[in-house]
Amino acid sequence: NAGVMQNPRHLVRRRGQEARLRCSPMKGHSHVYWYRQLPEEGLKFMVYLQKENIIDESGMPKERFSAEFPKEGPSILRIQQVVRGDSAAYFCASSSAGTSEYFGPGTRLTVL
Amino acid sequence: TQLLEQSPQFLSIQEGENLTVYCNSSSVFSSLQWYRQEPGEGPVLLVTVVTGGEVKKLKRLTFQFGDARKDSSLHITAAQPGDTGLYLCAGGMTTDSWGKFQFGAGTQVVVTP
Repeated sequence: NAGVMQNPRHLVRRRGQEARLRCSPMKGHSHVYWYRQLPEEGLKFMVYLQKENIIDESGMPKERFSAEFPKEGPSILRIQQVVRGDSAAYFCASSSAGTSEYFGPGTRLTVL
Repeated sequence: TQLLEQSPQFLSIQEGENLTVYCNSSSVFSSLQWYRQEPGEGPVLLVTVVTGGEVKKLKRLTFQFGDARKDSSLHITAAQPGDTGLYLCAGGMTTDSWGKFQFGAGTQVVVTP
């Protein structure tokens, strides 16, 4: 019974490149959430998606960041033209309607 | 400003001692969750509380949700080195935005043998 899966676990990009982070929710879960965590800080909500719909993106930076959760395949968090300040751990969580969230192991993004 | 304030920020104790971690807010939450996170890993859900005054026990861990649903505490009895980790509380504001939790900054707990 696989949990939430994220890949890659570690991603290194140079400034100006694109970063694509993938999240496969737990089986049976149709709700996906993305969070960002900086060192010594808690998690900051970014975006909440259901299949093919963005429900709440109030935590997403207005530029360079986008997220999708297609009908088939994993959810993708895309960061264009990365800058050093984007370096962080990005966590995905999933749930079914009205239940608790379960987190993946995270993707640690380092921007050189 | 942090919507959820956790205290203390850091706690170091000896194996066998008890500890309590607090999560406080001026806002009312429809639900509150506690997670433990270890270095390099994602948070692991420990418990969800939804009713004011609710108390849940999980082996040596006791979780309490305040009557007004604004605060919560986590108490660990006879702590063990395996309890070491970052403890995070997360509050949900409404039942129809279940995923949009507000997280506290966490309490780092270190239990030494």
